[in-house]
Parts: sequence; structure tokens; C-alpha cells
Amino acid sequence: NAGVTQTPKFQVLKTGQSMTLQCAQDMNHEYMSWYRQDPGMGLRLIHYSVGAGITDQGEVPNGYNVSRSTTEDFPLRLLSAAPSQTSVYFCASSGGLKETQYFGPGTRLLVL
Amino acid sequence: AQTVTQSQPEMSVQEAETVTLSCTYDTSESDYYLFWYKQPPSRQMILVIRQEAYKQQNATENRFSVNFQKAAKSFSLKISDSQLGDAAMYFCAYRSATDKLIFGTGTRLQVFP
Repeated sequence: NAGVTQTPKFQVLKTGQSMTLQCAQDMNHEYMSWYRQDPGMGLRLIHYSVGAGITDQGEVPNGYNVSRSTTEDFPLRLLSAAPSQTSVYFCASSGGLKETQYFGPGTRLLVL
Repeated sequence: AQTVTQSQPEMSVQEAETVTLSCTYDTSESDYYLFWYKQPPSRQMILVIRQEAYKQQNATENRFSVNFQKAAKSFSLKISDSQLGDAAMYFCAYRSATDKLIFGTGTRLQVFP
């Protein structure tokens, strides 16, 4: 059982480039979410999904897009990377809103 | 909006001693959940302990226990018999029954031999 997986582990982008951070879970969880972690600010919610075909914005959604075509996958897209998006990104999933969230190992993104 | 506050940016403890990490939160909800997550240098977020607000009994997981004071909106984590492997960032988190997970800013715990 792999749990929550994220790829890549580390990525360097130039300003203006686009990329997709991948997230997958094999626990049949309905609820998935993306967070970014910046020094001194804890984890902040970017986008979340309560099931396939349903997504919603979190606390810091600007500059990011998501879609949820399957239960297993929840990719995060950066359309035009900016240095302010340099951060560590975590994907998480849970069986429902009342359930514990399980986190992936994180993706470290550096935007130059 | 709900908020979570961890007022101790850093704490330290001697190996085998006990340490308590503080967390307070603000909410108007009556049904919610509270969590402590540990983040070691590997950056993996690891669930330490979970508390349901409707339960009066404090949650316990081996050496980890909480002091949940609902009226005071306080949720502290006690680590007993501290070990070197306990050194990490600890995050307190709040989740209402119908809403998203909200994190505090974290407490860095150092454990000295």
C-alpha cells in the first residue's frame, strides 16, 4: 500500500514556465488537498477536492489550477511560475471531512 | 474564521524528560477535530495524535498525550520520556466537521542527550 505519492521530489523552474505537480493515492479516499509550506507560516491550503469532478479553492489559490478526473489523482498545475511560488508542496488525502488526513512526502519547488 | 495559534516557536527538552507544547484555537463551532502532526527533517508529515471535540477524555498514544480544554480552546501536547527521535517540527491543526484543515505555525522541538 503506497499511500499518498507525489512526483517530482524536487524541481527547478524559470519564471514564466508551467508545470504540473502530481499526486496520487491508493486508499480510495474521496477528499484530497494541496498545501504549500513556507518558513514561519505553517501549511496553507491551496485547493481541495471532495470527490471526482469537484474542486474548490483554499486559502491561497492564486496562480494554481487543479482538476479531479479520477478518485486516485489530484494534479496541481502552475500556469506561469513566479518566484513567490518557491515552496514545499504537500498533497494529502482522507476518507472524508471527519477523517484524518494522510500526507505525501512533499515536492520542493524552486522558481528562479 | 477559525485560527490556530502556537505561541512557542522553539522548545527544548532533555532526553527522558517531559515537555509540553501549547496550542490554542478560535472557533464558534461545537463539532470539530484537533490534531498534532510531527514533521522531522525528512519533511514527511506524520500524525501524532487526534482528538474529537465531543470526547471529554484526553487522547493518548504511547508517550504522547493531550490536554484538551474545550472551554479554554486549548489543546496542548505532552511528550513523556522524550527521545532523540522526537526532535522535529510539531504542528497543531484544527478541522471542523464540514471544513478544511487549518494549521498553526509550528513549534520546533530540540531534544538534548
